[in-house]
Amino acid sequence: SAVISQKPSRDICQRGTSLTIQCQVDSQVTMMFWYRQQPGQSLTLIATANQGSEATYESGFVIDKFPISRPNLTFSTLTVSNMSPEDSSIYLCSVERTSGMGTDTQYFGPGTRLTVL
Amino acid sequence: KNQVEQSPQSLIILEGKNCTLQCNYTVSPFSNLRWYKQDTGRGPVSLTIMTFSENTKSNGRYTATLDADTKQSSLHITASQLSDSASYICVVSPAYSSASKIIFGSGTRLSIRP
Repeated sequence: SAVISQKPSRDICQRGTSLTIQCQVDSQVTMMFWYRQQPGQSLTLIATANQGSEATYESGFVIDKFPISRPNLTFSTLTVSNMSPEDSSIYLCSVERTSGMGTDTQYFGPGTRLTVL
Repeated sequence: KNQVEQSPQSLIILEGKNCTLQCNYTVSPFSNLRWYKQDTGRGPVSLTIMTFSENTKSNGRYTATLDADTKQSSLHITASQLSDSASYICVVSPAYSSASKIIFGSGTRLSIRP
């Protein structure tokens, strides 16, 4: 398994401001993933964060809006920039590990619940 | 297009009763199928993982089944408890793809009433 922590667990922000979310993993991983889950919806991948290189963004997400840092193999940050009420979501950090049965599975952090007023 | 569809969208049952959640997928070939439990406001937690060659996997009161011929999976919850109230998400990993290509179902919201 993987132990993943996120900070903050929740925040209420004013529109036009930015929030940086931190993700810490208990051991080294090559890739870390950032997801967004809007109210009542399933998870949508924002980007894949690779250590030592630029993050890879999915369609509909851009670096200017969601800059990502990956300074080492256990830590990453996601910034939600120039926020609007539409950015109100749960933001989740995730890693993939090989289970004891040899199957890859994805582990998720506890999430950051963001409300933008 | 690869898709994962879950039903029902929501379900309310009484405590102690059993229930079955459904997942239909069009992903082919696929590497594995996972069921997650997500409590409100929290991150998903893995319940079961099945490779394409497995038919069933249990985790306590949770039993997942997989029929690769009909491309269906189900999650059966036995003797439900109030703590089972959560969203249950079916996730399929396409074969030969990176983790960024996994496909999430929209989830079933389960409510257990005392």
